[in-house]
Amino acid sequence: DGGITQSPKYLFRKEGQNVTLSCEQNLNHDAMYWYRQDPGQGLRLIYYSQIVNDFQKGDIAEGYSVSREKKESFPLTVTSAQKNPTAFYLCASSTLQGIWLANTEAFFGQGTRLTVV
Amino acid sequence: DAKTTQPNSMESNEEEPVHLPCNHSTISGTDYIHWYRQLPSQGPEYVIHGLTSNVNNRMASLAIAEDRKSSTLILHRATLRDAAVYYCILRENYGGSQGNLIFGKGTKLSVKP
Repeated sequence: DGGITQSPKYLFRKEGQNVTLSCEQNLNHDAMYWYRQDPGQGLRLIYYSQIVNDFQKGDIAEGYSVSREKKESFPLTVTSAQKNPTAFYLCASSTLQGIWLANTEAFFGQGTRLTVV
Repeated sequence: DAKTTQPNSMESNEEEPVHLPCNHSTISGTDYIHWYRQLPSQGPEYVIHGLTSNVNNRMASLAIAEDRKSSTLILHRATLRDAAVYYCILRENYGGSQGNLIFGKGTKLSVKP
């Protein structure tokens, strides 16, 4: 089945360690996104990529890094520079309609819950 | 920042219709109105989207005001599985943030049996 997969579902790391969250999609979507969600809050955009080998900062990119070497993969690294990394991380993807994204639906993964101790 | 305003919470009875309002007074002519919902500890799920005309699908209906400054998501018969946080989002068709989904806090819908 086509979809978007995030792994692992739960992740524990010690403070000061970098950690990479995986996001893979087999929907042939051009655009991919990373969001962070804190308890009781909405999603905040970290990074996004509309084509391979290109990505842009979202609203809260500090302390995070991404790569987009393949169309189907968009890993997120939470670095030691991120001051409050404990959160629920969500990946999404969306296809283009021509060159536009707004008239298409986005698909979300089931999330990775990162806890830093 | 989110460009939409929604009530923090709403309650409904099971098997009754639910109307979830959303205000977006600064909407531009090419912004699409999207709705997603999120169950606890899950990723958001697409519900419906539209531009100007009312839209229907198997999950819900979307009623868009003539001036497009507000819209209403309609669940025709609420079930317990519809209890979730519903997000109303404007998805831009132009500009540097073209296509990005900017989430607000959404409306938490509770459904009573």
